[in-house]
Parts: sequence; C-alpha cells; structure tokens
Amino acid sequence: DTGVSQNPRHKITKRGQNVTFRCDPISEHNRLYWYRQTLGQGPEFLTYFQNEAQLEKSRLLSDRFSAERPKGSFSTLEIQRTEQGDSAMYLCASSLGTGYQPQHFGDGTRLSIL
Amino acid sequence: SQQGEEDPQALSIQEGENATMNCSYKTSINNLQWYRQNSGRGLVHLILIRSNEREKHSGRLRVTLDTSKKSSSLLITASRAADTASYFCATDGGTSGSRLTFGEGTQLTVNP
Repeated sequence: DTGVSQNPRHKITKRGQNVTFRCDPISEHNRLYWYRQTLGQGPEFLTYFQNEAQLEKSRLLSDRFSAERPKGSFSTLEIQRTEQGDSAMYLCASSLGTGYQPQHFGDGTRLSIL
Repeated sequence: SQQGEEDPQALSIQEGENATMNCSYKTSINNLQWYRQNSGRGLVHLILIRSNEREKHSGRLRVTLDTSKKSSSLLITASRAADTASYFCATDGGTSGSRLTFGEGTQLTVNP
C-alpha cells in the first residue's frame, strides 16, 4: 500500500494562468474524491468518481474547474483562468466503493495565486 | 455550509491528560468518521462509527455517537506531544461512499 500520491506538492502561478494537478489513488480503490481546503477550515467536497465515471460535482466546481479520470486510475483536476480565490490546498482521497469504507487522503497540492 | 461543527475550536492540554472533542451535525448519516491532520499534510483516518453503533474504541481513542442529538465525541486518553494536530469529524449525509462533509476542526495542542 503506497498511499495516495499527489503532484505537485506546491504550485505557484499568476492569476489568469491554467493549472493541472494529478492524483494517483491507492491501486485497488475504485472511488476517487477531490476536496479543497482553505486555511483554518475543514475540507470542502468538489467531486468524486467511481472508476472513470464522475458521479457527483459540487456547486463549488465552477465552469473553470474540470476533473477527469480517463482510465479509472489516476485523476487530474484542472483550473482554468485562475483567480485569487482559488488559492487553497487541493486534496485527493480514494476508497473502496463497497460498504463502510474510510477515505484515504494524499498530502495535497497547495496552490498559491500571485 | 459545513455540516459538522467541532467544539472546542482549540484545546491545549499537558501530556498525559485526556482530550475530548465534540462534533455536531445536521442531517441523517450512515456513518461518522474522525480524521487527524498535521500541519501541511493530508488527513489521516482515525476511526469510523456506523449510525447503529453507540461507542467504538481504537487504541487510545474512544468515539461515541448519539444520533438522537446528532452529536459525536472523540476522546484521546493519555495524550502525547505527537497527538498535536487538527481533528475533524466528517459525515456522509446518509449515503455511504459518497461525499464527506467536514467540520472546521479542533486544533489540539499537547504540551510536553
């Protein structure tokens, strides 16, 4: 069990640029989740996948955000035309899709918008 | 808005003392989970309690759940400096395996 891996760990970019983050879940997990966390707050749900199907998206996920999980393994989260308010920690988690299973989190990608 | 709300927001204790954190939530649940987060890191799953359970233990952790009051508590016994972290409760909103809704967390500081 190598855990959930997220890259990059840190991303600094200028406002208006596009950014893409990658998440590699635990290999046997078929569910993958994205959350966003700002300083001093708990994580907020963005979206989740079962295999390659995106099953739910939060209202927080504006048109500038898109997530994919093309082969049901790794996932990418892209933010287009970044804004100051996008600065946050982006967390990925994975879980088995059956029964009462905990979600296992990666260490996140911290995004800073200049 | 966040469904889970932790209380207190911050807690400072001495090593060896017990720490109790509380969580309230608003909707029905299938399960409630507690997570720990060290500064700058991801969340680590601590314990999951199902809606039909009232108490669960794991090592120095004890979790209780009162669905009639929509509340849960996390007790850490014989605390250590390494327990210093933020602790979050998370609920599934009645659908297992779907989104988790987190509270704002309790920042626990254990002084050596």
